[in-house]
Amino acid sequence: DVKVTQSSRYLVKRTGEKVFLECVQDMDHENMFWYRQDPGLGLRLIYFSYDVKMKEKGDIPEGYSVSREKKERFSLILESASTNQTSMYLCASNGRTTWANVLTFGAGSRLTVL
Amino acid sequence: GQQVMQIPQYQHVQEGEDFTTYCNSSTTLSNIQWYKQRPGGHPVFLIQLVKSGEVKKQKRLTFQFGEAKKNSSLHITATQTTDVGTYFCAGRAAGNKLTFGGGTRVLVKP
Repeated sequence: DVKVTQSSRYLVKRTGEKVFLECVQDMDHENMFWYRQDPGLGLRLIYFSYDVKMKEKGDIPEGYSVSREKKERFSLILESASTNQTSMYLCASNGRTTWANVLTFGAGSRLTVL
Repeated sequence: GQQVMQIPQYQHVQEGEDFTTYCNSSTTLSNIQWYKQRPGGHPVFLIQLVKSGEVKKQKRLTFQFGEAKKNSSLHITATQTTDVGTYFCAGRAAGNKLTFGGGTRVLVKP
């Protein structure tokens, strides 16, 4: 089974801090995604990447950046965390040969910004 | 941009009863997927619908794709406590980008 691992389940940061959220997948998937989940808003796409060093903006990229230096790793960076970035962050991946382009999600990282 | 609306946001169901959650897209979709997220868990793929008017069943769950490929529904028969969770629809208009609905959070009263 595909495994998507997010390094931190829970983080508490202060306003203005730089935050790194790491995601690693073990199935050689080309595509990786970062979503944030908020009640009533569903999952909103922040950034995605379809190859190493490639990135595309999703629907809500403001305040975020990403890094994909290796195929298996996709990092989400909050340069200066703000309280409105308190949320659940979900990483997902799929590959060019993944049936129906089904997304496999990690367990999520719940970030609280104080 | 593409929007996917899902109603209701919350569904309180008596165990044994049926209910339906609805998903509506602002644009025509190439396909639609449904995911389930258990409390404390992450979204897990349930099913994909591709054809206009398509109906698929998984045990007590019936999924339908509208004729115009802009809406979908999930109907659960004889709800059980194992059905608790949040159900998301996710529409794909083109490419590999999925747009998720806001989800329907299902609570079951025993």
